[in-house]
Amino acid sequence: NAGVTQTPKFQVLKTGQSMTLQCAQDMNHEYMSWYRQDPGMGLRLIHYSVGAGITDQGEVPNGYNVSRSTTEDFPLRLLSAAPSQTSVYFCASRTGVGGGDSYEQYFGPGTRLTVT
Amino acid sequence: DAKTTQPNSMESNEEEPVHLPCNHSTISGTDYIHWYRQLPSQGPEYVIHGLTSNVNNRMASLAIAEDRKSSTLILHRATLRDAAVYYCLARRNYGGSQGNLIFGKGTKLSVKP
Repeated sequence: NAGVTQTPKFQVLKTGQSMTLQCAQDMNHEYMSWYRQDPGMGLRLIHYSVGAGITDQGEVPNGYNVSRSTTEDFPLRLLSAAPSQTSVYFCASRTGVGGGDSYEQYFGPGTRLTVT
Repeated sequence: DAKTTQPNSMESNEEEPVHLPCNHSTISGTDYIHWYRQLPSQGPEYVIHGLTSNVNNRMASLAIAEDRKSSTLILHRATLRDAAVYYCLARRNYGGSQGNLIFGKGTKLSVKP
């Protein structure tokens, strides 16, 4: 099992450029999410999805778009990069979108993005 | 989700037990207490979770106060590999957006040889 994979590991963008951060999981998890982590801070939720075709906003969604066309993939798009989006981005997945006790969340290794 | 409060940092000696505290005084009856940890330059990893009773697994133990307003993550014998930021979260036992994990700043644990 690869778990949650993210590409690229590192990326440098110029202000105004667009790009897509890729995230894939092979555990057949319904729930996937994107977080960003700034230096010395905890993780903040950007967007999440409870299944293919369903996405919703988290705490800090501005400047980011997501889509979920398959169970496995959940890409994060930066439409026009800004220096404030310099951060480390983590993708995560877990099983179960209803109530219950099965909430171990698996995180990818992260993408370190710098916007100049 | 209930707000959680943790010390910014703690130190431990290798091979000694570590007790990491967390306050969650506004927790509701349906909130689970979760712990994750983040090793340097890695994504967070699940450690343990519980509702009312104390819980044990291969990584750690979770002791939950009777009134559920606080909990303690116990690492029985700290190793250098346990040096990480530990996050305590209170999460509702619901689906959809109410099941999202909300991270604070956590406790940075240093382990001295």
